[in-house]
Amino acid sequence: DGGITQSPKYLFRKEGQNVTLSCEQNLNHDAMYWYRQDPGQGLRLIYYSQIVNDFQKGDIAEGYSVSREKKESFPLTVTSAQKNPTAFYLCASSIEGTAYEQYFGPGTRLTVT
Amino acid sequence: KQEVTQIPAALSVPEGENLVLNCSFTDSAIYNLQWFRQDPGKGLTSLLLIQSSQREQTSGRLNASLDKSSGRSTLYIAASQPGDSATYLCAVDTNAGKSTFGDGTTLTVKP
Repeated sequence: DGGITQSPKYLFRKEGQNVTLSCEQNLNHDAMYWYRQDPGQGLRLIYYSQIVNDFQKGDIAEGYSVSREKKESFPLTVTSAQKNPTAFYLCASSIEGTAYEQYFGPGTRLTVT
Repeated sequence: KQEVTQIPAALSVPEGENLVLNCSFTDSAIYNLQWFRQDPGKGLTSLLLIQSSQREQTSGRLNASLDKSSGRSTLYIAASQPGDSATYLCAVDTNAGKSTFGDGTTLTVKP
């Protein structure tokens, strides 16, 4: 089955620790995205990548880092510099082009205490 | 900067009713507008995508329209069912895949 996988579904960390969230897709999509969702709110773009070895900051990139070494993978690291990291993180991908229809993974809920 | 607003924030209707969800945006220079459904604690499921050159898209009981000049889109759901209960989000793409999302409308369909 083609799709986007995110692991783990739930993640718990102590304050001050870096943590990496996994996102893998087998849809052969060029573009991948990371979003953050807080309770009762829409999604905010953290980082996006339109091609391997290239990525751009979104609206709330501070305290986060990414890499895009393979087309299928776009891991997100939440660093200790992120002041409020507890949130629901969603990864998406799309085919590059004018349509850019986005497909989402199931999400990872990160809790930092 | 693109801003996307969805009104109302919550909506409760009896089963069988037709309903309209609204999405407005401030910058009309868009690539596309996409409607999503989100169930509690889950990822987003794409419902409909309207490209900038299109006026509407239909899928089953769903119909989405787009009026770029007025900065508005509507999602029409016909003959609502309890299984339609979810949060509906609209997203506007103004920069080749870089989307701005509204905060969503939470729909409850009562049996």
